[in-house]
Amino acid sequence: ELKVEQNPLFLSMQEGKNYTIYCNYSTTSDRLYWYRQDPGKSLESLFVLLSNGAVKQEGRLMASLDTKARLSTLHITAAVHDLSATYFCAVDITSSGSARQLTFGSGTQLTVLP
Amino acid sequence: NAGVTQTPKFQVLKTGQSMTLQCAQDMNHNSMYWYRQDPGMGLRLIYYSASEGTTDKGEVPNGYNVSRLNKREFSLRLESAAPSQTSVYFCASMGGTVYGYTFGSGTRLTVV
Repeated sequence: ELKVEQNPLFLSMQEGKNYTIYCNYSTTSDRLYWYRQDPGKSLESLFVLLSNGAVKQEGRLMASLDTKARLSTLHITAAVHDLSATYFCAVDITSSGSARQLTFGSGTQLTVLP
Repeated sequence: NAGVTQTPKFQVLKTGQSMTLQCAQDMNHNSMYWYRQDPGMGLRLIYYSASEGTTDKGEVPNGYNVSRLNKREFSLRLESAAPSQTSVYFCASMGGTVYGYTFGSGTRLTVV
């Protein structure tokens, strides 16, 4: 059974600081997604990582994937208040049939303080 | 640009009542999914459908049934609602790994 673990679960950081969220998973996969969720809202896709060594950047967020270590990171640079949200990683595997399916981590609730 | 549409957005049920959550996508995707999200947790897969006419159980299928009515529509049915099914339900579809999964806006269900 695939396990996806994120840490930390809660992160409170000052504006302007840097930090990294970690996502470890237990089964071989080369496809990983990062999502953002604001309170009471749906999931917004941030990054799609499709191969070992993949690195994607958008604004103050950068995501990477190391399939050999089964690890993805989401790095936040010079945090601003607007980044406050819950961030989820999700690992994509092929099920016993033909459909791919996502298994989610528990999420990291990020609060950026002024 | 509708994407994935879920109805209703909010629902309150009494224990034992039944209801169907509707989901439709207009992106011609083959695969569709139902997830539930409980407070402080990630999403857990209830059922999925790889293509029209096929459905499979996910991690937490007990108490639910699904129907893949056609390529666009995938419904989730609670036959006899229980308080433990109070949750936010998300439908998603996936047509290819490059673009990933598209999620609906969610249905907030409370069972009293």
